Amino acid sequence: DAGVTQSPTHLIKTRGQQVTLRCSPKSGHDTVSWYQQALGQGPQFIFQYYEEEERQRGNFPDRFSGHQFPNYSSELNVNALLLGDSALYLCASSLVGPIDTQYFGPGTRLTVL
Amino acid sequence: DAKTTQPNSMESNEEEPVHLPCNHSTISGTDYIHWYRQLPSQGPEYVIHGLTSNVNNRMASLAIAEDRKSSTLILHRATLRDAAVYYCILREYSGANNLFFGTGTRLTVIP
Repeated sequence: DAGVTQSPTHLIKTRGQQVTLRCSPKSGHDTVSWYQQALGQGPQFIFQYYEEEERQRGNFPDRFSGHQFPNYSSELNVNALLLGDSALYLCASSLVGPIDTQYFGPGTRLTVL
Repeated sequence: DAKTTQPNSMESNEEEPVHLPCNHSTISGTDYIHWYRQLPSQGPEYVIHGLTSNVNNRMASLAIAEDRKSSTLILHRATLRDAAVYYCILREYSGANNLFFGTGTRLTVIP
């Protein structure tokens, strides 16, 4: 049973560009959450998708957007990249419920130059 | 979301027990206490969770104070593979749950 997978592993972009990161959830999971982790910090919640809708959003600007597909996979899009967007982007999947344990992927390391 | 306070770092000798403390004095009655850990170069992984009673699983034990204002994650026998950042997180029982991570406790295991 494959766990959460993310692609690409690493990515280098320049300021002003746009980026798309992808996530495939653990088999059987219907909810995908995205987190940003800056160096030396804990992950910060960006947003969560369930039934192809954004269900909850953290304190991130509209430059950060997402999508969930019918097969539950998800994309994170970031427009107009800033140097401060350089971070590890983590995807977590879960099964909606009272105690939805989240399973994390290995992350995508984004570097903005 | 209720806040948690953890020591920045701790050290333990290999094969000895480790007690990782977490203070959460503003916890509400519906908040569950979750622990995740993040090994180097990996995403976080679930360790254990509890509400009021102490909990055990194959990875660890969770001891919750009677007033629920603090808890302790117990690793019964630390191994080198347990070296990680450990996060104590409060999650309200609700439909749209996300995790609010702090800076966690960095555990170093000494051979």
